[in-house]
Amino acid sequence: DAKTTQPPSMDCAEGRAANLPCNHSTISGNEYVYWYRQIHSQGPQYIIHGLKNNETNEMASLIITEDRKSSTLILPHATLRDTAVYYCIVRVGTNAGKSTFGDGTTLTVKP
Amino acid sequence: GAVVSQHPSWVICKSGTSVKIECRSLDFQATTMFWYRQFPKQSLMLMATSNEGSKATYEQGVEKDKFLINHASLTLSTLTVTSAHPEDSSFYICSAALHRGTYEQYFGPGTRLTVT
Repeated sequence: DAKTTQPPSMDCAEGRAANLPCNHSTISGNEYVYWYRQIHSQGPQYIIHGLKNNETNEMASLIITEDRKSSTLILPHATLRDTAVYYCIVRVGTNAGKSTFGDGTTLTVKP
Repeated sequence: GAVVSQHPSWVICKSGTSVKIECRSLDFQATTMFWYRQFPKQSLMLMATSNEGSKATYEQGVEKDKFLINHASLTLSTLTVTSAHPEDSSFYICSAALHRGTYEQYFGPGTRLTVT
């Protein structure tokens, strides 16, 4: 699986958009970008995933650059409950392969 | 949908005893489940991949005789920590793979194990 790089921490004001970057310069053509988050002392929660097109669901938007070497997770209106560690993972999506977690980004949403 | 449960949510045991943790996919079948361990202020570390009806695949450095994994049905995988020691105290998390065009992983809420 391709390695990802994320900033260790970010702050965001409540109600503003939170933009979390992820670099995955060695991503392969058949690898998807997955985002999860982990609120303190809970299991990770699936957020969104994509291959090359931008994706949006009820939780977030995922923007993938054209060369697919980086992506950005966007939480459009961050709330205090969005404070968590966010993990960007790259892996093949067509098999039930394992996910390798890096250190993630600790997002702190402030009032 | 896609809910994964774990039982117990927390457990305290004495050194030398064994502890079993259950992971269930409540509303879907999962041929593949994963077990992770997480120490305080650290990321998740994959311990093993559990495949229904076959032996688990363990990551390098994980003792298979100490961490017994059984995936006897499409909705249940169990992790047994045998002869537990204080250094096994950790947060254990399972996940189950669900195929929806691509494979998505859904995680359980985790089990906090404390060995005294």
